[in-house]
Amino acid sequence: AQSVTQLGSHVSVSEGALVLLRCNYSSSVPPYLFWYVQYPNQGLQLLLKYTTGATLVKGINGFEAEFKKSETSFHLTKPSAHMSDAAEYFCAVIDGNQFYFGTGTSLTVIP
Amino acid sequence: DVKVTQSSRYLVKRTGEKVFLECVQDMDHENMFWYRQDPGLGLRLIYFSYDVKMKEKGDIPEGYSVSREKKERFSLILESASTNQTSMYLCASSLTRTANTEAFFGQGTRLTVV
Repeated sequence: AQSVTQLGSHVSVSEGALVLLRCNYSSSVPPYLFWYVQYPNQGLQLLLKYTTGATLVKGINGFEAEFKKSETSFHLTKPSAHMSDAAEYFCAVIDGNQFYFGTGTSLTVIP
Repeated sequence: DVKVTQSSRYLVKRTGEKVFLECVQDMDHENMFWYRQDPGLGLRLIYFSYDVKMKEKGDIPEGYSVSREKKERFSLILESASTNQTSMYLCASSLTRTANTEAFFGQGTRLTVV
């Protein structure tokens, strides 16, 4: 079975600072990887996805992630945090028709 | 855009009640999923379905059942609600079993069992 590990259940950054949320996966096959964002009392919204091709993937709201096969990682970054980025972030991998989610990272942005 | 709609945002039910959570998607997706979300535990898969009248158990099916009579609708049933089923429930859909495309989520139902 696949698994996804998100290092750090809570991350705090100052407004304007770099955001880095970590995700590592285990997969015996080429992975399809996703990052989702969840605002309070909402469902999950897709931020970006990696399927094949370019390893640096750009998403919505200025986020991007880089697939590194050698490190089995798919870390999410944003150069400058905004107050509106405060939310819960989930990394996920798909295997067949099942999704495997990390336990989430709660991002706090300090004014 | 794909839209996944859950019938209720908030529900309060009494212990022992039979509870129905409804989910409808409008993009002809084959796969549909029910998850529950609890603090520190992330999303846990309850049941999923990849076709009408088909269902598969996920990681935590105990105390739940599902129904998929039509392709667009996937219902989660709590046969006899208990307080430990108080949680956020999320429905999702995705295109097909082999497409490896993203899941689209509903807005969630926050269920409180008292």
